[in-house]
Amino acid sequence: GENVEQHPSTLSVQEGDSAVIKCTYSDSASNYFPWYKQELGKRPQLIIDIRSNVGEKKDQRIAVTLNKTAKHFSLHITETQPEDSAVYFCAASRAAGNKLTFGGGTRVLVKP
Amino acid sequence: DGGITQSPKYLFRKEGQNVTLSCEQNLNHDAMYWYRQDPGQGLRLIYYSQIVNDFQKGDIAEGYSVSREKKESFPLTVTSAQKNPTAFYLCASSIPSRGGEKLFFGSGTQLSVL
Repeated sequence: GENVEQHPSTLSVQEGDSAVIKCTYSDSASNYFPWYKQELGKRPQLIIDIRSNVGEKKDQRIAVTLNKTAKHFSLHITETQPEDSAVYFCAASRAAGNKLTFGGGTRVLVKP
Repeated sequence: DGGITQSPKYLFRKEGQNVTLSCEQNLNHDAMYWYRQDPGQGLRLIYYSQIVNDFQKGDIAEGYSVSREKKESFPLTVTSAQKNPTAFYLCASSIPSRGGEKLFFGSGTQLSVL
């Protein structure tokens, strides 16, 4: 089955700096890669996703890049703000109708 | 902020006891899931159901059981065979979206052992 590794497990950044979280996956048939954000005491929510036919996707201050050859994908947060402090999970799956496999999570702390 | 509701928010289990966590959704989603969240270990899949009256084991199904008699409901029973049940349990439902499944999570149940 699929295995997703996520690094780092914790990340502390100064407000205004960038944050990068990296994930690797094992199943070469995976083609859907979402990122979920879980704020303290709240439920995880989808913040961005990318399909394998796209190398990069941006949504305001967040972007995701995908390297299918190397089987890794990354989340980039620019101009970090205190509200970006949360746990971020990457995940991977095959086509719709297939279960997601999650990485271990990254706790991001943005220091004012 | 409705959609998918978990209850109770906190639950305590005694030795040898079975406990059931409730998950109800009014989103008309076919697929539902149970995840276990432990510190530093991400979200691990316990069971999932893609349609009523059908469900499959996830990665850590031992010591758990589920049923899916109604589309709206997917209860999880933590049996006495689960020796380390203390964790945060998240239920989710999903819809197909852009080549994958978009998950909608409940607010979770924290289970602790007395």
